[in-house]
Amino acid sequence: AQTVTQSQPEMSVQEAETVTLSCTYDTSESDYYLFWYKQPPSRQMILVIRQEAYKQQNATENRFSVNFQKAAKSFSLKISDSQLGDAAMYFCAYRSDFKGGSEKLVFGKGMKLTVNP
Amino acid sequence: DSGVTQTPKHLITATGQRVTLRCSPRSGDLSVYWYQQSLDQGLQFLIQYYNGEERAKGNILERFSAQQFPDLHSELNLSSLELGDSALYFCASSVGNTNSPLHFGNGTRLTVT
Repeated sequence: AQTVTQSQPEMSVQEAETVTLSCTYDTSESDYYLFWYKQPPSRQMILVIRQEAYKQQNATENRFSVNFQKAAKSFSLKISDSQLGDAAMYFCAYRSDFKGGSEKLVFGKGMKLTVNP
Repeated sequence: DSGVTQTPKHLITATGQRVTLRCSPRSGDLSVYWYQQSLDQGLQFLIQYYNGEERAKGNILERFSAQQFPDLHSELNLSSLELGDSALYFCASSVGNTNSPLHFGNGTRLTVT
């Protein structure tokens, strides 16, 4: 079974600074997807960024980018120019490639990010 | 707005009772997933349905059951409730049978007293 580990339960960053959230995972599969979800106090789960394991290029979405190290099974999220609205719980998630099976997500336990003005 | 609708938003009930949580997926989505989010266990996958059929089962207790109806909405039934069942229950949907992303509803906050 796949597992996702977020070892840092909390982090803080100053507004406009850069912060990196770490995530490691364990799998024996070669094809899969990795995600970062954001959960603000409104509790909605918001997809931040997605990475396909077969792509060597790291995904970017505006101020959000990832450092995907397949061999090390590491998937970190970098938030540049942090904004107050980035304060939230961040969850790393794993999903197997669809091959007639389930597309369920396996989540890490999350990390609380605080942005200080 | 994700397009996934969950009702009710909040539910307070007593131990031993039974409740039903409802989820309407995004238009066009055939798969529905249920997750439980508690402080100590994080987001736990409970069960997935695809077009009315159970597709995958996770850490779902025997006291819990779910189904997906012909109109694709889904219900999660929780019975013989215990204090430890207090949690946020999320429903998510996806097209299914593809690598399409999951879209989450806003959750139902269940409090068992």
